[in-house]
Amino acid sequence: GNSVTQMEGPVTLSEEAFLTINCTYTATGYPSLFWYVQYPGEGLQLLLKATKADDKGSNKGFEATYRKETTSFHLEKGSVQVSDSAVYFCALIILYNQGGKLIFGQGTELSVKP
Amino acid sequence: DAGITQSPRHKVTETGTPVTLRCHQTENHRYMYWYRQDPGHGLRLIHYSYGVKDTDKGEVSDGYSVSRSKTEDFLLTLESATSSQTSVYFCAIRDRGGGTEAFFGQGTRLTVV
Repeated sequence: GNSVTQMEGPVTLSEEAFLTINCTYTATGYPSLFWYVQYPGEGLQLLLKATKADDKGSNKGFEATYRKETTSFHLEKGSVQVSDSAVYFCALIILYNQGGKLIFGQGTELSVKP
Repeated sequence: DAGITQSPRHKVTETGTPVTLRCHQTENHRYMYWYRQDPGHGLRLIHYSYGVKDTDKGEVSDGYSVSRSKTEDFLLTLESATSSQTSVYFCAIRDRGGGTEAFFGQGTRLTVV
């Protein structure tokens, strides 16, 4: 079936460190890929997306490249800030055969220390 | 902010009682989703809808039913609540298209005692 796997957290970094959160997926059809972020006490909000192979999504210094050959969509940021502390979710949508099912990974908690 | 409202925001109920959660949107989006969020499990899809009266199961649908009689409302019902259904429930909406963003409600914290 279709699924998303993320690296387990929590991830703890010092301010200005480099961030990578790994995400791999299994999907039939042609998924679009997303990263969502959840701040404490809130719902999820879109961080970035990519809709086809080799696309790079970017926003607020975060980047992720859609790699079809490795079925991956790893999230990176060159220099994290305390305000980036949140839970990050990788997700995919399968449009064909699945009617728009939106599936999430288990989430990775990031904690950035000053 | 996207027009999506969940009600109630908090609820405590007893084991064996029926519970209905409501998701209301003002965006006329086609897709609506119900998820539960639990520590260590991330966001798991319960049911989703791709149109009025069109619904499909997610990965954790047992014990839950849904209805969508009009575009703006998507109801999640626990016919007989159990303690394992204690969770935070999120509704999301999304418009047509592969790359369209999903907008989330603020969540409903449900406790079954």
